[in-house]
Amino acid sequence: GAVVSQHPSRVICKSGTSVKIECRSLDFQATTMFWYRQFPKQSLMLMATSNEGSKATYEQGVEKDKFLINHASLTLSTLTVTSAHPEDSSFYICSARETGTAKLFFGSGTQLSVL
Amino acid sequence: AQKVTQAQTEISVVEKEDVTLDCVYETRDTTYYLFWYKQPPSGELVFLIRRNSFDEQNEISGRYSWNFQKSTSSFNFTITASQVVDSAVYFCALSEDVSGGSNYKLTFGKGTLLTVNP
Repeated sequence: GAVVSQHPSRVICKSGTSVKIECRSLDFQATTMFWYRQFPKQSLMLMATSNEGSKATYEQGVEKDKFLINHASLTLSTLTVTSAHPEDSSFYICSARETGTAKLFFGSGTQLSVL
Repeated sequence: AQKVTQAQTEISVVEKEDVTLDCVYETRDTTYYLFWYKQPPSGELVFLIRRNSFDEQNEISGRYSWNFQKSTSSFNFTITASQVVDSAVYFCALSEDVSGGSNYKLTFGKGTLLTVNP
């Protein structure tokens, strides 16, 4: 079946540094990818929709300058948390929609801990 | 606006018991998809089912079954003869209108933590 690779699975960084998370569709093309955030014991909240070759669409309340999204190819989207602070610590998970279908596949998530 | 309600925050059962997880949704769209995902302690989301709004047939897959009732906007999930490995958080989700260029964004419920005790 289709696989979405998300890397890294876990990252610990110092406050003020930037962290890049990759979401890669391995055996299908994904024109659209989604980035979600999940706090402990909470639901997944959509942060932004990433479309290949265009600017991402951010949900209300999500700082676009804080969470930079790049979707430069049909198989790769990246989320960069800039100048990370402890309140950015969370579980980030991506999903990719197979181009031309309604099928969604999720990555395995990235646990970000900012010290 | 879309909304998914999973009223059961936590459920605890003993192995071999049947358990039903409730999901009620709200949407103005006439065409939409409903999903169930499982999130084990390791964190990844495991896809269980996707159901088109036009297909109200119930579905059974092994020990899993789903009851889609459009009249009550519910999409309940039943695990028969539960096992310890079923312990996880289960999310119900709804995607917006899938026609005409939509991006298929998912709205998730808050999840139900299922604990199956031996």
